[in-house]
Amino acid sequence: NAGVTQTPKFQVLKTGQSMTLQCAQDMNHEYMSWYRQDPGMGLRLIHYSVGAGITDQGEVPNGYNVSRSTTEDFPLRLLSAAPSQTSVYFCASSYSQGSPLKQYFGPGTRLTVT
Amino acid sequence: AQSVAQPEDQVNVAEGNPLTVKCTYSVSGNPYLFWYVQYPNRGLQFLLKYITGDNLVKGSYGFEAEFNKSQTSFHLKKPSALVSDSALYFCAVKDTTSGTYKYIFGTGTRLKVLA
Repeated sequence: NAGVTQTPKFQVLKTGQSMTLQCAQDMNHEYMSWYRQDPGMGLRLIHYSVGAGITDQGEVPNGYNVSRSTTEDFPLRLLSAAPSQTSVYFCASSYSQGSPLKQYFGPGTRLTVT
Repeated sequence: AQSVAQPEDQVNVAEGNPLTVKCTYSVSGNPYLFWYVQYPNRGLQFLLKYITGDNLVKGSYGFEAEFNKSQTSFHLKKPSALVSDSALYFCAVKDTTSGTYKYIFGTGTRLKVLA
């Protein structure tokens, strides 16, 4: 299993540009989520999904869109990038029910908005 | 509101000494608590979790955590620290509010184990 994969690893955007961060998992996990990691702030939940066609907002959803058309993929879209979105972005997945509940994290995407 | 707090930004410990990384939580209902570790330029890795049962939970790499309901704490411990344990550690709680699947992370504690 590849686990959770994220592309790209690094990205530089200009203010106002749009882009999509890709996330995929091959573990048949129902739950997928996006976090951003900023110094001194820990990880903050952006959006999450409990299955194909179902998404919900987390703590910091503004400026980001998501969709979940398949179990495997959960892309994060920035429609108009702002410098405040400079961060490291992590995708995670897990089973949504039952005992495990541990999340598997991808390697991250480091995004810089100038 | 549900939350976790990690009161120490950094913990320094000598190799071979016991280590403790602190975490306190605030939740309504029964807490689901987790510890994750992040090595430089990597994603987070699961260490252990508390769902119910024994207050002392054992996890990966020799780590354990003690759940204390009266003090609302879930401190991470290891009897003998290794230099390779140096990393960023996150405590997290699953939001148990009905109908949500949100996980709330602390701000992280950097552990530095000195040779």
